[in-house]
Amino acid sequence: GAGVSQSPRYKVAKRGQDVALRCDPISGHVSLFWYQQALGQGPEFLTYFQNEAQLDKSGLPSDRFFAERPEGSVSTLKIQRTQQEDSAVYLCASSLLNGYEAFFGQGTRLTVV
Amino acid sequence: DQQVKQNSPSLSVQEGRISILNCDYTNSMFDYFLWYKKYPAEGPTFLISISSIKDKNEDGRFTVFLNKSAKHLSLHIVPSQPGDSAVYFCAAIPPGAGSYQLTFGKGTKLSVIP
Repeated sequence: GAGVSQSPRYKVAKRGQDVALRCDPISGHVSLFWYQQALGQGPEFLTYFQNEAQLDKSGLPSDRFFAERPEGSVSTLKIQRTQQEDSAVYLCASSLLNGYEAFFGQGTRLTVV
Repeated sequence: DQQVKQNSPSLSVQEGRISILNCDYTNSMFDYFLWYKKYPAEGPTFLISISSIKDKNEDGRFTVFLNKSAKHLSLHIVPSQPGDSAVYFCAAIPPGAGSYQLTFGKGTKLSVIP
């Protein structure tokens, strides 16, 4: 596709429910990133993939958060046993390499009720 | 501890005038800086960037200035247009092995009044 695509655009989850957020990066982009943006804040780094390898997951808030990119293309961010503080916009970005000129998707707005 | 700070949450400017958005950083290791523009319900869009070896980069109506000694950068938009109304994020990248990670400020909401 022409850009980074994320689905769903909006997700409402009950507290304790598991969710899975999908990211389709730009074709050919080696690097893929996940960011979390809380209301009124800037995006904060969660994790980074180079192809299928997860090279940095230091930003994941807890072990309830898990990300994968098994074939080096599509990525999924999974949040287990969601809590209210997980409510945020989750942004995926991709780039040819590293963080320079990373292209962002529209994000998934997660609301935990 | 915020490493990239945008101290003005909002800014209003008359159409046709100059908009100046400011950004300060604390980590002297940052060597590349970017500005992103974000409309509601959309992801951030890359606008302009500057390497730490430069002090100015210009692209059409947008100019970014970098003052390394003050750890300060600014984005100038001249002339401002109503379509420029958006949230602007300043972001920084460290060199070397960490160059995949963007550190963002909280953003400044720019409103350009027709």
